[in-house]
This record gives sequence, C-alpha cells and structure tokens, in this order.
Amino acid sequence: AAGVIQSPRHLIKEKRETATLKCYPIPRHDTVYWYQQGPGQDPQFLISFYEKMQSDKGSIPDRFSAQQFSDYHSELNMSSLELGDSALYFCASSPGTTTDTQYFGPGTRLTVL
Amino acid sequence: GENVEQHPSTLSVQEGDSAVIKCTYSDSASNYFPWYKQELGKGPQLIIDIRSNVGEKKDQRIAVTLNKTAKHFSLHITETQPEDSAVYFCAASRGFGNEKLTFGTGTRLTIIP
Repeated sequence: AAGVIQSPRHLIKEKRETATLKCYPIPRHDTVYWYQQGPGQDPQFLISFYEKMQSDKGSIPDRFSAQQFSDYHSELNMSSLELGDSALYFCASSPGTTTDTQYFGPGTRLTVL
Repeated sequence: GENVEQHPSTLSVQEGDSAVIKCTYSDSASNYFPWYKQELGKGPQLIIDIRSNVGEKKDQRIAVTLNKTAKHFSLHITETQPEDSAVYFCAASRGFGNEKLTFGTGTRLTIIP
C-alpha cells in the first residue's frame, strides 16, 4: 500500500539559511499535518491543512510557513534557521473529515549547523 | 489545551511476558486515542486506536482499554517478542476529523530475549 512520502530524508543547513520540506500524502488523502520531534521527545503539532486550506495551527514559529497545493502535496518552508530547529519533521495524512486516523511519513531529519 | 501523560518512560520485560503502558489525558472532549510504535529512524506507525464509545479493543497480541470517566487509557501487549522493542506513544484528539494529535512523552520498551 502507498505510504506518505517525504523529501528530502536528510537535510543539513547552516544557521540563518532556508529549508523546504516536502510531503506527498497517501493518494486520496486530503488532509496533511506537520509535526516536529526533537531528540528523545514526542512529536509536537505544527500545522495542518484540509482541502488546501489551513485547518489548525500549533506551536509553529513565525519563521516557518506551509501550504498545501492543488495536488494535495504540502511544503513546509523554514527561514532564518536556528540551531534549535534541528529535529525530525514528520508529515502525516488522513482521508478527511470522516476519520481521525493519521498515517505518518518516514520524516525529514534536519540538522542546523 | 490537551495534556497527555504517559508512564512508564522505560519498560523492560522478558520475552513472552506482557507489557502495559498507561496514559492519562486532561481534555474531557477528547474521544479518539491512537497508539503509535516508533522504531529508530522511522516515522510513528499506528498499531491500534480506540474511540470513546468503546471500552476495549483487541488486535491479536495488542489490546487497548479506555476509562473515559477516569480519563485514562492503556496499551497491553501480550506474549512479547524482540521485534516489539521500540518507543511507543499514546495520543489523543477530539476526533472530529482533521484534528491534531497530542502525544504522550513516550515509553521505550525493551524486550529481553
């Protein structure tokens, strides 16, 4: 079965640089969620989109922005990177309002030097 | 907002024995409770979930119980196997569709051969 695809899987950036993470949801899933997981921590919700509109926002820094495109893939844009942004970033998708089940991708490991 | 507490943070059990992980939540409006297994370097994998109109759910060696009055739910793994070793996260959401998940802090389960 198709799963959530995230790219890149690993990303190394310098402080103050910009990064773009991409997420391709499971086919026919119209809802995408972004989570950040620090070392040894639980995933923290950042932002979500349903039918290309932002549906909820969590503890996402103002330096980050995201959007969902017409093909339902989503991108998380991170600017002015800080050392503390080093983490695993997961995307999850679900098939809309009829279910709460979220399926997670393999994650992008971002390292900020 | 929702707060989910999870215990224990680490758990070691002999292969073949049972493992129990417990979570409590604070938001009485939460009604969807999934459990995820996360192996090193991978994304969280849904292993079982339960909704508040159900008190118990079982899938082979895995079972989840929910006490909505006490606001706690538990994961039970029987006949543990080495491949059960991983970090397990409980989570909660309001379950209306497109709802973010609030995770517990995770339990590192080690199965001793």
